[in-house]
Amino acid sequence: NAGVTQTPKFRVLKTGQSMTLLCAQDMNHEYMYWYRQDPGMGLRLIHYSVGEGTTAKGEVPDGYNVSRLKKQNFLLGLESAAPSQTSVYFCASSYGLAGGPEPRTQYFGPGTRLLVL
Amino acid sequence: GQQLNQSPQSMFIQEGEDVSMNCTSSSIFNTWLWYKQDPGEGPVLLIALYKAGELTSNGRLTAQFGITRKDSFLNISASIPSDVGIYFCAGQGLQGAQKLVFGQGTRLTINP
Repeated sequence: NAGVTQTPKFRVLKTGQSMTLLCAQDMNHEYMYWYRQDPGMGLRLIHYSVGEGTTAKGEVPDGYNVSRLKKQNFLLGLESAAPSQTSVYFCASSYGLAGGPEPRTQYFGPGTRLLVL
Repeated sequence: GQQLNQSPQSMFIQEGEDVSMNCTSSSIFNTWLWYKQDPGEGPVLLIALYKAGELTSNGRLTAQFGITRKDSFLNISASIPSDVGIYFCAGQGLQGAQKLVFGQGTRLTINP
């Protein structure tokens, strides 16, 4: 199993450009999450999904959109990037209420570093 | 929103020393998790605590879920160079999406 993978690993954008970050998991997890990590602030939840076709807002959703068209993929979109969105983005997944050996444990991807100029 | 206070923010220790860090919250959580993050990597789960009062070990790591369900601590015994990194606590609710609330992290530096 590859676990949770994220693409790209690193990206530089100009203000106003758009991009999509891809998260994929091969563990048949039901729940998926997008976080951003800024220095000294830990990780903050942007959006999450409790199943294919469902998404919901987290703590800091403004400026981002998400889609979960397939169970194994969770996409994070920036329609018009701003310098404040410079951050490291992490995707995570878990079995959630669907069960599994450790239903509540979230497994994280390696992250995507985004720089918005 | 909910916040976790994690302390200390950073630690500088000698190899072989024991380490202790803790997290406190104004809210009750049903699960406490401790993650470690190495540079350029995502957080990796170290220990998960599911019951108030629970004390769990993973090798040289020991963590406890506070009785009040508002705090947790992590101890590392006999530190080694590979323990260097950032340690995060996270509280998790039981219902719905089981969202995690993270502490600010404790950066551990070890002098050989």
